[in-house]
Amino acid sequence: GAGVSQSPSNKVTEKGKDVELRCDPISGHTALYWYRQSLGQGLEFLIYFQGNSAPDKSGLPSDRFSAERTGGSVSTLTIQRTQQEDSAVYLCASSLERYSNQPQHFGDGTRLSIL
Amino acid sequence: GNSVTQMEGPVTLSEEAFLTINCTYTATGYPSLFWYVQYPGEGLQLLLKATKADDKGSNKGFEATYRKETTSFHLEKGSVQVSDSAVYFCALSDLNNAGNMLTFGGGTRLMVKP
Repeated sequence: GAGVSQSPSNKVTEKGKDVELRCDPISGHTALYWYRQSLGQGLEFLIYFQGNSAPDKSGLPSDRFSAERTGGSVSTLTIQRTQQEDSAVYLCASSLERYSNQPQHFGDGTRLSIL
Repeated sequence: GNSVTQMEGPVTLSEEAFLTINCTYTATGYPSLFWYVQYPGEGLQLLLKATKADDKGSNKGFEATYRKETTSFHLEKGSVQVSDSAVYFCALSDLNNAGNMLTFGGGTRLMVKP
């Protein structure tokens, strides 16, 4: 497709369960970013990938959060033992390169609700 | 560290009114500046950008000028439409930041009434 694709679009799960969110970036984009959008915190950076490596994991809120990217394309964000405060919209973005004048293109997000 | 501050909303205007949404920033390096828009039920879309001082970004009648002396990037539109109702986010990315991640303001909701 032409844009960044995220799945699922909505996910409802019980507290304590693990969830996996998927992001398919724009073809050819080497940089990939995960952000979280929540009512209390606004838009927060979580992690970014340059190719398959993640040089900066400083935004991950706890060790329950992890992410990987394979083949320089699809990325998955995994949240283990989910808590209610994990409820948010998780956004993925990609850009052609990691330089600051390259705009990031966002997917529609995954709305995660923890019961 | 980097930060972005934008005016709190909601901003409610009548159609054809003039719009200004203020945005100021602090950055340790040489940032690029962006405005993103989020229409109801949709994802973030890039509205416009400016990569160096005095640059003016423009798109769909919106414009913003990168003012280094006042560290500002205010969004303006001369005549808003109902279809402009959305949440607007000011953001920066910084060449000094190896990750190039975006730092966002808190967002400003714009409501335009017919």
